[in-house]
Amino acid sequence: GAVVSQHPSRVICKSGTSVKIECRSLDFQATTMFWYRQFPKQSLMLMATSNEGSKATYEQGVEKDKFLINHASLTLSTLTVTSAHPEDSSFYICSLAGSREDTQYFGPGTRLTVL
Amino acid sequence: AQSVSQHNHHVILSEAASLELGCNYSYGGTVNLFWYVQYPGQHLQLLLKYFSGDPLVKGIKGFEAEFIKSKFSFNLRKPSVQWSDTAEYFCAVMPYLGGKLIFGQGTELSVKP
Repeated sequence: GAVVSQHPSRVICKSGTSVKIECRSLDFQATTMFWYRQFPKQSLMLMATSNEGSKATYEQGVEKDKFLINHASLTLSTLTVTSAHPEDSSFYICSLAGSREDTQYFGPGTRLTVL
Repeated sequence: AQSVSQHNHHVILSEAASLELGCNYSYGGTVNLFWYVQYPGQHLQLLLKYFSGDPLVKGIKGFEAEFIKSKFSFNLRKPSVQWSDTAEYFCAVMPYLGGKLIFGQGTELSVKP
């Protein structure tokens, strides 16, 4: 399977600041990447689908102006949480679709804490 | 709306006990089915998947799952669990042409040594 990394693994920020999270595919060129959010003891909720070279597709209820996604290359997608608030505190996980596009490989996640 | 339901929120077993975790989904069309595992402090890993063919699929670490189409179920099983199986288990469904993974709520498995 593909190897996916995320940076940073943990971030603590003040309310009102913006935070950028990187998702990298280390050994695979991914045309499609996904961003999920996971609350404690709950399931993963898909936030958006990121396609290289085009605008991301956001799920219903996800604010595209708050969660900016950029998929500038086949190995890098970024999620920027703008003007973060305490309710944005969560575990953010990216994944990429494999060559068959029906199996996803997940990154280790980024724990965001907004004070 | 499409949804995935996992019956058990937290399962506690002793080592060598048998395991079965329930998973049901609601979707009328063809689906691909997955079980992912998340060990403490680690990322999600694919345990096994079903796309077509034999409804009994075998995965890593002795896990298997059976797809029963008539029951919209994809239950995970292991004959004898080990302490190292302690983890969170997620069932997920991907509509055949949809591309999006829909996850269940997850089941936390605690295995006592």
